[in-house]
Amino acid sequence: GAVVSQHPSWVICKSGTSVKIECRSLDFQATTMFWYRQFPKQSLMLMATSNEGSKATYEQGVEKDKFLINHASLTLSTLTVTSAHPEDSSFYICSAPGTVSYEQYFGPGTRLTVT
Amino acid sequence: GENVEQHPSTLSVQEGDSAVIKCTYSDSASNYFPWYKQELGKRPQLIIDIRSNVGEKKDQRIAVTLNKTAKHFSLHITETQPEDSAVYFCAASNFGNEKLTFGTGTRLTIIP
Repeated sequence: GAVVSQHPSWVICKSGTSVKIECRSLDFQATTMFWYRQFPKQSLMLMATSNEGSKATYEQGVEKDKFLINHASLTLSTLTVTSAHPEDSSFYICSAPGTVSYEQYFGPGTRLTVT
Repeated sequence: GENVEQHPSTLSVQEGDSAVIKCTYSDSASNYFPWYKQELGKRPQLIIDIRSNVGEKKDQRIAVTLNKTAKHFSLHITETQPEDSAVYFCAASNFGNEKLTFGTGTRLTIIP
């Protein structure tokens, strides 16, 4: 089946620094990837749609200058949290749609803690 | 945009009994409705899905029903087991490859 990986699986950073999270489709190409954020005991909320070779589409209320998305290849999308603050601490999950079925394939998630 | 409501937020059932979780959606253009099981700190795991051209789908102890007219769909788990304890999310999307809108989640606890 289709596999999506994320790196790192967890990261701790200091307030004011930037953190980059990678999302890779390992055995298929993904022209589109999605980035979700999940706070403790809450649902997954879509942050943005990453489009290979073009600008990302951000959901309402998501600061595009704070959450930089780059989809430089058909297998890699990156999310950079700039000037991170404690309120950015969350579980970040990416997904990519399969090429055959309607199924979305999720990465294992990245736990970000900002101190 | 799409809005998905999910009920109940918590559900406790005796082992062996059935559990039902219900979702409603707002966008009549949505045509793909997956259900996910998520354990703490893990990615959502697809357990069953249904497309809008089908009213019901079953996979062993799990079934999903869809009422397009009423814009609601439900997850049914029969003969529940302790390992069914987790958080369950419904979701909806358009054409299947578009962004998913998730419900608020249901924490299911199976009481041995």
